[in-house]
Amino acid sequence: AQRVTQPEKLLSVFKGAPVELKCNYSYSGSPELFWYVQYSRQRLQLLLRHISRESIKGFTADLNKGETSFHLKKPFAQEEDSAMYYCALRGDDKIIFGKGTRLHILP
Amino acid sequence: EPEVTQTPSHQVTQMGQEVILRCVPISNHLYFYWYRQILGQKVEFLVSFYNNEISEKSEIFDDQFSVERPDGSNFTLKIRSTKLEDSAMYFCASSVKNIQYFGAGTRLSVL
Repeated sequence: AQRVTQPEKLLSVFKGAPVELKCNYSYSGSPELFWYVQYSRQRLQLLLRHISRESIKGFTADLNKGETSFHLKKPFAQEEDSAMYYCALRGDDKIIFGKGTRLHILP
Repeated sequence: EPEVTQTPSHQVTQMGQEVILRCVPISNHLYFYWYRQILGQKVEFLVSFYNNEISEKSEIFDDQFSVERPDGSNFTLKIRSTKLEDSAMYFCASSVKNIQYFGAGTRLSVL
């Protein structure tokens, strides 16, 4: 079964502290993993994808096939990082989303 | 930067009525999608569309739903006879090179 699990519904982190948003997936085959972000009153937008191996807004995510994980990390949280974050898996011709984690950066 | 455009931003309808949600994908994109998000739940795939036909659909996308690309720019989702449980945010997306770009969504409220 194709599934994306984000175990945390809400994550509160102090400004300047490290952030890690967890994501695990289930997929038979070679997955393509993404992180999407939705800032308040804005549309869903792609944050990063595992195949490009880049850092966007200080965020990185490494695909760990052994642990079937794609956790999102940032060493120092900023207040503008507060948003909903969705881990997603591209399966065939559709995106399968996790339930999302609301990241709340405390001042 | 080009964007996927959805109209209306909010649609209120009576149960049993037909609704059409409209989307204008990004102009050079060839793949189009509809997703929905019921309040408090995750974003769910409904249907993908390529080359003027449905390429994949979920079990949610039953006979009450249909999609159409009536001209070169619009991509519509029709719900024939709305139910209370159809109340949700509906997102259109279009893609190129496997990256999907999302519209801002239409909030459908079925009364």
